[in-house]
Amino acid sequence: DTEVTQTPKHLVMGMTNKKSLKCEQHMGHRAMYWYKQKAKKPPELMFVYSYEKLSINESVPSRFSPECPNSSLLNLHLHALQPEDSALYLCASSQVEGGNQPQHFGDGTRLSIL
Amino acid sequence: GQSLEQPSEVTAVEGAIVQINCTYQTSGFYGLSWYQQHDGGAPTFLSYNALDGLEETGRFSSFLSRSDSYGYLLLQELQMKDSASYFCAVPNQAGTALIFGKGTTLSVSS
Repeated sequence: DTEVTQTPKHLVMGMTNKKSLKCEQHMGHRAMYWYKQKAKKPPELMFVYSYEKLSINESVPSRFSPECPNSSLLNLHLHALQPEDSALYLCASSQVEGGNQPQHFGDGTRLSIL
Repeated sequence: GQSLEQPSEVTAVEGAIVQINCTYQTSGFYGLSWYQQHDGGAPTFLSYNALDGLEETGRFSSFLSRSDSYGYLLLQELQMKDSASYFCAVPNQAGTALIFGKGTTLSVSS
């Protein structure tokens, strides 16, 4: 079990569906991250939120829409995804934003696009 | 930009010692981190080196040489449960987030 909780664990959706991934942490961390990970590949950074404001968007397509409602929650809204978007989506948090900060990862949501 | 090189696979037997190397090219340097990820699991933080030298945490140690742009993760007294992927990581150019290496798959056999 990890201190960062992601739901759902698995998600299968069609290309026309709209769904959301959720991430929650109660460690008082002020930076939260979304990563995408394909099989046998490293996590790739998608978004960074720092103090509930979007800090980094790594040129992610607009069919992915992040939201940070409060300091504990991070959502990723999905719409009109493509089959190549099938991957493991990982949420992470750290005390503050920074590449020198240990990041705590959730177990991820395994997403399959039909 | 930032780039990292690490071996794709390493194999070892239980009780052995293994070293996973990582070389990096960065614009600015803010430190080298290591993460472990079991199949189907979350990456977990192992260590962070900002300064040259060896950092020891139980059976795992991490080393950094900034002049050589090189670091390694040393795993001692290997156990079957150490079979996993190991990623080195450096901060991005702005120092705000992590860039991961391609990962090293460690297989420990009995």
